[in-house]
Amino acid sequence: DAGVIQSPRHEVTEMGQEVTLRCKPISGHNSLFWYRQTMMRGLELLIYFNNNVPIDDSGMPEDRFSAKMPNASFSTLKIQPSEPRDSAVYFCASSFRGPADTQYFGPGTRLTVL
Amino acid sequence: GQQVMQIPQYQHVQEGEDFTTYCNSSTTLSNIQWYKQRPGGHPVFLIQLVKSGEVKKQKRLTFQFGEAKKNSSLHITATQTTDVGTYFCAGRGTSYGKLTFGQGTILTVHP
Repeated sequence: DAGVIQSPRHEVTEMGQEVTLRCKPISGHNSLFWYRQTMMRGLELLIYFNNNVPIDDSGMPEDRFSAKMPNASFSTLKIQPSEPRDSAVYFCASSFRGPADTQYFGPGTRLTVL
Repeated sequence: GQQVMQIPQYQHVQEGEDFTTYCNSSTTLSNIQWYKQRPGGHPVFLIQLVKSGEVKKQKRLTFQFGEAKKNSSLHITATQTTDVGTYFCAGRGTSYGKLTFGQGTILTVHP
């Protein structure tokens, strides 16, 4: 299996621009997670989906962030408008049997907002 | 809500020394998982503990789950430079559906 796939791997953008991060979970996994990692705040869960339905979005920082999962093999995390404080590594992870099961992380997207 | 705390935040050791990181939960856990993240990499699953008092070993790594299922530890014997990275615990409460990650312990091994 290819593992969790994320794109792009690196993104550099200017403040105010829209940023879209993409994730393809492992085939057959029914839960998908979006995390943000920074030195200051560590690994933060932003949102997770179960069977394509958003279950817990309490970690989404504010309305500038939105996430969708239109089907079992694709999810997006969008930031509009982006701000310098959004600079971080964003990880997508998936699990087979739900939100408490082993999570398989993608390689991450390193976002820099200038 | 459920909180999972890890200590220490940072640990510097000389190669060959032992290392231990501790994980404490504010609530009873149904299970606990450990992950390792190499510098520049992504978290990778190491192991899961489910039973009270459970001890599991992976070569030089020993994982323990407390009797009360509210704490856990990871011990590395005779560290090597390949052990460098951040070690995360992640616990699932008995009432909550999702894993909660600790803030991680960053291990540096000096050759």
